[in-house]
Amino acid sequence: GAGVSQTPSNKVTEKGKYVELRCDPISGHTALYWYRQSLGQGPEFLIYFQGTGAADDSGLPNDRFFAVRPEGSVSTLKIQRTERGDSAVYLCASSSARGTETQYFGPGTRLLVL
Amino acid sequence: QKEVEQDPGPLSVPEGAIVSLNCTYSNSAFQYFMWYRQYSRKGPELLMYTYSSGNKEDGRFTAQVDKSSKYISLFIRDSQPSDSATYLCTNGGYQKVTFGTGTKLQVIP
Repeated sequence: GAGVSQTPSNKVTEKGKYVELRCDPISGHTALYWYRQSLGQGPEFLIYFQGTGAADDSGLPNDRFFAVRPEGSVSTLKIQRTERGDSAVYLCASSSARGTETQYFGPGTRLLVL
Repeated sequence: QKEVEQDPGPLSVPEGAIVSLNCTYSNSAFQYFMWYRQYSRKGPELLMYTYSSGNKEDGRFTAQVDKSSKYISLFIRDSQPSDSATYLCTNGGYQKVTFGTGTKLQVIP
């Protein structure tokens, strides 16, 4: 599998619950990005990792959102106390470096908070 | 005001038509622009990128940047039903990436 993979593909949860969304980037890609895409909108930047560290987390909407990338490969986006407004497609992308390098996107995780 | 603005459409054209997709941006520091194509229930995929003003051509696709007016365009010649998708413009480079809302295109056979 050469592409970016994301699991689960769909997640339905109840308001107030905790969810984890996983991203497996392309092997060797040091840069990893999380985006959120609401219906009819473009992807909205959440956080960028360079290696293991979050180099830019300015897009996280509040402290209920957190992401980790402990070994510089797989990343997990964690959402606490989910709200109905968190319902969206969460996209992950990776690239060989930040800047002019192409970002390769995964298919996304569709999160529905009831 | 978002830093990258895009008409959401939808845009419906007959097969074979020339399609023009447009975006505007407000941040003068942006120097690098990209067009992504997103099929339904898929992640975006890079279609074209440009670094400077002027045109860049790739097959049936031409990307154009006018920095004086902060205007970005994507032209599709001889449009095909397989071009039916949402087209997203964005800045690139070292600034935080900001996507437009996307324009949904339907090419009717």
